[in-house]
Amino acid sequence: GESVGLHLPTLSVQEGDNSIINCAYSNSASDYFIWYKQESGKGPQFIIDIRSNMDKRQGQRVTVLLNKTVKHLSLQIAATQPGDSAVYFCAESLPGGYQKVTFGIGTKLQVIP
Amino acid sequence: KAGVTQTPRYLIKTRGQQVTLSCSPISGHRSVSWYQQTPGQGLQFLFEYFSETQRNKGNFPGRFSGRQFSNSRSEMNVSTLELGDSALYLCASSVGTVQETQYFGPGTRLLVL
Repeated sequence: GESVGLHLPTLSVQEGDNSIINCAYSNSASDYFIWYKQESGKGPQFIIDIRSNMDKRQGQRVTVLLNKTVKHLSLQIAATQPGDSAVYFCAESLPGGYQKVTFGIGTKLQVIP
Repeated sequence: KAGVTQTPRYLIKTRGQQVTLSCSPISGHRSVSWYQQTPGQGLQFLFEYFSETQRNKGNFPGRFSGRQFSNSRSEMNVSTLELGDSALYLCASSVGTVQETQYFGPGTRLLVL
């Protein structure tokens, strides 16, 4: 879909606290979801993914939760560090969609030292 | 392994001109996807190439085209540039199977005057 003048939501978190970044995805048929982190001046970097047959997946300091009923994803970052400051995108993909991925608008995470 | 490289990193063009951007994927990766990132529209999928064939296409006008060479390197071309084409153009590479991790390059920042 199109939108004009995207305003990134911003989440400010104290260093050491846990962060929760939320995302509503658009297509109920999507079956693969990815979280990316984008630092200033760089391309998006893969963080973690989850398939629709799961509702939770854990990585190093990160956890992704998937609620298909309400089409909602969340990314939890434990013990947030200054290096976690970035824009975080969720992305979705349809079955058989190969690499065609639809990105959300992103959330800016600011870590307060 | 070397990451995804994109050239040039910055480019300034004027309206009506055309531009060619280049992407070298990670060694062994056969899929290259292109995305456009703007403050107004976010990250949008342009197209994906696999084994020299366009496998997926987003909703962009025909002025945006691409190709892939036998060594998996890819180029995208934008003809008759418009002011609204100013954006960060990102390419991402992956092995080429269904719904797998994509690795992004740093992008090419295009400014159209």
